[in-house]
Amino acid sequence: EIVLTQSPGTLSLSPGERATLSCRASQSVSGDYLAWYQQKSGQAPRLLIYGASSRATAIPDRFSGTGSGTEFSLTISRLETEDFAVYYCQHYGDSLTFGGGTKVEIK
Amino acid sequence: QVQLVQSGSELKKPGASVKVSCEASGYIFSSYVMNWVRQAPGQGLEWMGWINTNTGNPTYARGFTGRFVFSLDTSAGTAYLQINSLKADDTAVYYCARDLGYSHGYAFDIWGQGTMVTVSS
Repeated sequence: EIVLTQSPGTLSLSPGERATLSCRASQSVSGDYLAWYQQKSGQAPRLLIYGASSRATAIPDRFSGTGSGTEFSLTISRLETEDFAVYYCQHYGDSLTFGGGTKVEIK
Repeated sequence: QVQLVQSGSELKKPGASVKVSCEASGYIFSSYVMNWVRQAPGQGLEWMGWINTNTGNPTYARGFTGRFVFSLDTSAGTAYLQINSLKADDTAVYYCARDLGYSHGYAFDIWGQGTMVTVSS
């Protein structure tokens, strides 16, 4: 089973700064099946990115995804206050797995 | 609008059963697979499996076989998660989530609001 490792565990940044979140797979995977979600406290997750780099409906263009093989990343170009949340990567393969999450907190 | 509405919070004793519902609206229910995801308190997301809303055939992830049952009421556009022989570590929020399928990498675009199940004596 593929394991997704997200880093860092917590990212402390200020509004307006750039955030780069990493998702590493335990073996090479297809980016076609790599997604990113945002989850705010007490809310359900929200789809941000699918297919490693395609933004979901109504997702602002400050969110971007990239990567291939075992290394994927989510970048938030300029953090807005509403972006402080937990982010998860997800991969669909033989099974479906989520990474452990990265918390983006206000510095 | 497209949405999934789940049933309310549940408090159950160990050994009991619980059935969580997920009612879909705003789209053709049988056109999308339905997934179930667990989130224990303070923890990450854990995929439990999915159910084919055309055939009713369920697929359970490792660790979710035996006590967990996915079912449908297609006429009502509703999916169900039943958990039998509840244990304390089943305490979690349970989400249903619509699957976009192959064309979108099986990403989950619509989620229910979550149902908190608490197992305590």
